[in-house]
Amino acid sequence: AQSVTQPDIHITVSEGASLELRCNYSYGATPYLFWYVQSPGQGLQLLLKYFSGDTLVQGIKGFEAEFKRSQSSFNLRKPSVHWSDAAEYFCAVGAQERSDMRFGAGTRLTVKP
Amino acid sequence: DVKVTQSSRYLVKRTGEKVFLECVQDMDHENMFWYRQDPGLGLRLIYFSYDVKMKEKGDIPEGYSVSREKKERFSLILESASTNQTSMYLCASRPYLGQGSGANVLTFGAGSRLTVL
Repeated sequence: AQSVTQPDIHITVSEGASLELRCNYSYGATPYLFWYVQSPGQGLQLLLKYFSGDTLVQGIKGFEAEFKRSQSSFNLRKPSVHWSDAAEYFCAVGAQERSDMRFGAGTRLTVKP
Repeated sequence: DVKVTQSSRYLVKRTGEKVFLECVQDMDHENMFWYRQDPGLGLRLIYFSYDVKMKEKGDIPEGYSVSREKKERFSLILESASTNQTSMYLCASRPYLGQGSGANVLTFGAGSRLTVL
């Protein structure tokens, strides 16, 4: 079965610092990978997605993620964090052969002034 | 823009009540999903539907059932609500599974926060 692991429950970074949120997946076929963000009291918004091709994908709000098949990882990065990035981030995995989609437990990001 | 509308934003029910959570999407999507979101557990898949009258269990279907009689509507039913079903419920939809810029991207509703007393 598909599964997604986000090892970090909570991360705190200073504003202006770089950010990396980790995501590992388990799936036998080629996965489709996603990052979603949920700001406090808001719905989930797609940040970026990977289907195939270039393993470094760019998303909205200055985020990027890199797919590493050998490590079964899809880590999210941002070079300089803004206070408005404080939110919960979810990694998700799907696949062309399947209809379902699984999410990780989420990483809550706190941004210090 | 695709809209996924969940009929109730907040509900308070009593233990043993039958609860219906309704979800409607307006973009002719084939796939629809119900998740529950709990702190520290993320989104867990309850049921999904890949077409009208078709459904599959997700990871936590116990205590829930679903109905999809029309393409645009996907209902989650709690036959006899229990306190451990207090949670945020999220509905989502997406186009038919396949390659392409829109395929496989879920669009979520705003959520329904259910409290069972």
